[in-house]
Amino acid sequence: DTGVSQDPRHKITKRGQNVTFRCDPISEHNRLYWYRQTLGQGPEFLTYFQNEAQLEKSRLLSDRFSAERPKGSFSTLEIQRTEQGDSAMYLCASSLVGQGTDTQYFGPGTRLTVL
Amino acid sequence: GIQVEQSPPDLILQEGANSTLRCNFSDSVNNLQWFHQNPWGQLINLFYIPSGTKQNGRLSATTVATERYSLLYISSSQTTDSGVYFCAVERGRGSTLGRLYFGRGTQLTVWP
Repeated sequence: DTGVSQDPRHKITKRGQNVTFRCDPISEHNRLYWYRQTLGQGPEFLTYFQNEAQLEKSRLLSDRFSAERPKGSFSTLEIQRTEQGDSAMYLCASSLVGQGTDTQYFGPGTRLTVL
Repeated sequence: GIQVEQSPPDLILQEGANSTLRCNFSDSVNNLQWFHQNPWGQLINLFYIPSGTKQNGRLSATTVATERYSLLYISSSQTTDSGVYFCAVERGRGSTLGRLYFGRGTQLTVWP
């Protein structure tokens, strides 16, 4: 069990560019979550998948954001036409639902800086 | 959504001291987790505790679901306990099942 991994760990980009982040959940976990954390705040929910189905999206997830989990394993989060306000830590978590506890385990995050 | 309030926002202790962190929430919950965020941003699971009491070494937690609060106790604090402690809850009903709502955290600093 290697835990949740995220790639890249850091990303610096210029405003207007597109960026894509990857998350690999714990292998047997059926749920995968994306959160965003800005300085001094707790993480805020963006979206989650159960297997390959995207079940919920926050209103924070504007039309510039898209997330996929094509085979029910890893997930990608893409931000198009980045803005300075997108600068944040993007966190991925996974859980195994239906086994009595729904503990969410977090990855190390991808820190995005938009110049 | 559900409101999560943590107190105190900041806590400064000397090594060896004990502390209590509080989390109040505004609705019934299915899931409550305590996390420690280290200086590199990694959220480390401490407890999954929607109700009852659990202990793990120097840390223990109690959730009183009927009164909508949870407490995290840290005994004999060490410098490595420094960081931000978050409480997060999953609402117990409605379409928002699955998502965690986080408080703003308690910043703990332990001095040697």
